[in-house]
Amino acid sequence: EAGVAQSPRYKIIEKRQSVAFWCNPISGHATLYWYQQILGQGPKLLIQFQNNGVVDDSQLPKDRFSAERLKGVDSTLKIQPAKLEDSAVYLCASSLTGRLAKNIQYFGAGTRLSVL
Amino acid sequence: GNSVTQMEGPVTLSEEAFLTINCTYTATGYPSLFWYVQYPGEGLQLLLKATKADDKGSNKGFEATYRKETTSFHLEKGSVQVSDSAVYFCALTLDYKLSFGAGTTVTVRA
Repeated sequence: EAGVAQSPRYKIIEKRQSVAFWCNPISGHATLYWYQQILGQGPKLLIQFQNNGVVDDSQLPKDRFSAERLKGVDSTLKIQPAKLEDSAVYLCASSLTGRLAKNIQYFGAGTRLSVL
Repeated sequence: GNSVTQMEGPVTLSEEAFLTINCTYTATGYPSLFWYVQYPGEGLQLLLKATKADDKGSNKGFEATYRKETTSFHLEKGSVQVSDSAVYFCALTLDYKLSFGAGTTVTVRA
């Protein structure tokens, strides 16, 4: 079974530039998550999709971050404009359903973003 | 709110040493508890889980027991290998959202 695919693996940009990350979840997984992992911290949920609808985006800085999952499969996360404090690893994860007590959440390898 | 506090690292051990990483939690209900592992350059992988009090999760020689009375889920391994070098995250869910600890970096020397 193929895992969660993310690209690119690394990205370096200057502050105020824009950047986009792509995620392809495990086939058949209805729930998709984007996390931000700052160095030395645990992952923090940015947004959760159930199929192509947003379930939770309470931690997403909506003035600069946006995400979509138009056909309920692939997803993109965009930052525009980037700030220095956005330097982090952006992790995508998916699960069969949103019931995490009974369904494992699978993670991609992440995109490491450096904002200079 | 719900939160996880885990032992700060980094932890450096020699091969075949005993490893313990402490994890305590605060939750408004009865959470499920997890340990995730992140090897260098890879995403997080589920290591083990426990869904109710007194459950013991185990995998790859690692064990953790869900202790409701002490709100803890400490990770243990009796004899570590160099290949166990990674970052370990304790996490909880009350069903729909995972809350992670800050992670503990473990380095095992040959």
